[in-house]
Amino acid sequence: DAGVIQSPRHEVTEMGQEVTLRCKPISGHDYLFWYRQTMMRGLELLIYFNNNVPIDDSGMPEDRFSAKMPNASFSTLKIQPSEPRDSAVYFCASSRYEQYFGPGTRLTVT
Amino acid sequence: GENVEQHPSTLSVQEGDSAVIKCTYSDSASNYFPWYKQELGKGPQLIIDIRSNVGEKKDQRIAVTLNKTAKHFSLHITETQPEDSAVYFCAACYSGYSTLTFGKGTMLLVSP
Repeated sequence: DAGVIQSPRHEVTEMGQEVTLRCKPISGHDYLFWYRQTMMRGLELLIYFNNNVPIDDSGMPEDRFSAKMPNASFSTLKIQPSEPRDSAVYFCASSRYEQYFGPGTRLTVT
Repeated sequence: GENVEQHPSTLSVQEGDSAVIKCTYSDSASNYFPWYKQELGKGPQLIIDIRSNVGEKKDQRIAVTLNKTAKHFSLHITETQPEDSAVYFCAACYSGYSTLTFGKGTMLLVSP
């Protein structure tokens, strides 16, 4: 298996622009997680899905953040409008039992 | 909710020495404890995990121990090598398979 796939790997955008991050989980995994990692706050869970249904989005920082999982093999995290404080590395992870992380998307908002 | 504390935040050892990273958790219901290794520019990689029905687990040079009574667990790396240099995260959760609570991480530096 190719593991969790994320795209893009790097994203640089200007403040106010819409950003969409993409994730393909490992086939057969029924949980999908979105995390954000910064030096100041470490790894933060933003939202997670079970069988494509959002279970807990209490970690989503603001209404500017939204996530979808239209099917078992694809999820998106969208930020609209983006702000400089959104700059971070965003990870997607999936699990059936153990949790496996993708390589991350490094987002820079200028 | 669960709270996981991890120590030390940084650890420097000489190649060949052993390294120990310790974590404590607050929720006595937690029963799954994974450890992740994160290299620069990469995502966290699961390296070993332990469930509350065992006290120790080994995989080559790495081992994890769990003390349920004291609510702490530790990662032991023996015969460290420069390629062990990375940030290590511990985590805990109840009944696995859902949300993990992570420690703040330990930056391990192994000097040749």
